[in-house]
Amino acid sequence: DARVTQTPRHKVTEMGQEVTMRCQPILGHNTVFWYRQTMMQGLELLAYFRNRAPLDDSGMPKDRFSAEMPDATLATLKIQPSEPRDSAVYFCASGLVLGEGNQPQHFGDGTRLSIL
Amino acid sequence: AQTVTQSQPEMSVQEAETVTLSCTYDTSENNYYLFWYKQPPSRQMILVIRQEAYKQQNATENRFSVNFQKAAKSFSLKISDSQLGDTAMYFCAFMKHMSGNAGNMLTFGGGTRLMVKP
Repeated sequence: DARVTQTPRHKVTEMGQEVTMRCQPILGHNTVFWYRQTMMQGLELLAYFRNRAPLDDSGMPKDRFSAEMPDATLATLKIQPSEPRDSAVYFCASGLVLGEGNQPQHFGDGTRLSIL
Repeated sequence: AQTVTQSQPEMSVQEAETVTLSCTYDTSENNYYLFWYKQPPSRQMILVIRQEAYKQQNATENRFSVNFQKAAKSFSLKISDSQLGDTAMYFCAFMKHMSGNAGNMLTFGGGTRLMVKP
């Protein structure tokens, strides 16, 4: 089965360090999403892309977070500088939108991020 | 903006019994999709079932079925013959129907933790 691949699976680092999370969407999918999961806020959308173009990143703190898609096989989410409140599980999901069709999103296994 | 509410933070059920998880949502959209995702302790987000709002027939996937009440904006999940492997967090999610060059993000409920007891 095709899967969304996220790396790393776990990341522990100190406050102030740069963190980069990577996502390989399912081949052929044209939408990519970044979600953050915390106990307090649940699952929140941070950013999403369609055909590699950013469509909405209003859920993302702009001063420290950035999301990019250098190519169709790679999406990145960076935090610089990281803060303890960024500790969460970060999910990448990909999906396929064709014309009027809206397909469900497929999720990666997430990156559990801990900022000390 | 859409909101999704799951009013049951935790539920439990005996193995082989039936359990229903509740979900309500608020939207002004007429055309949309609803999903149930399962998140076991392994942390994966697994799609359980989907429902298109324009379809009156309730979706069914093996032991999982939904009761979709569009007028009431209700979308409950019924799990029949519960199995130990069904123990997980269950999230209800809403997605607008988007066309053209727009995207289609999910809005999630807060989740229901289901424990299946032997």
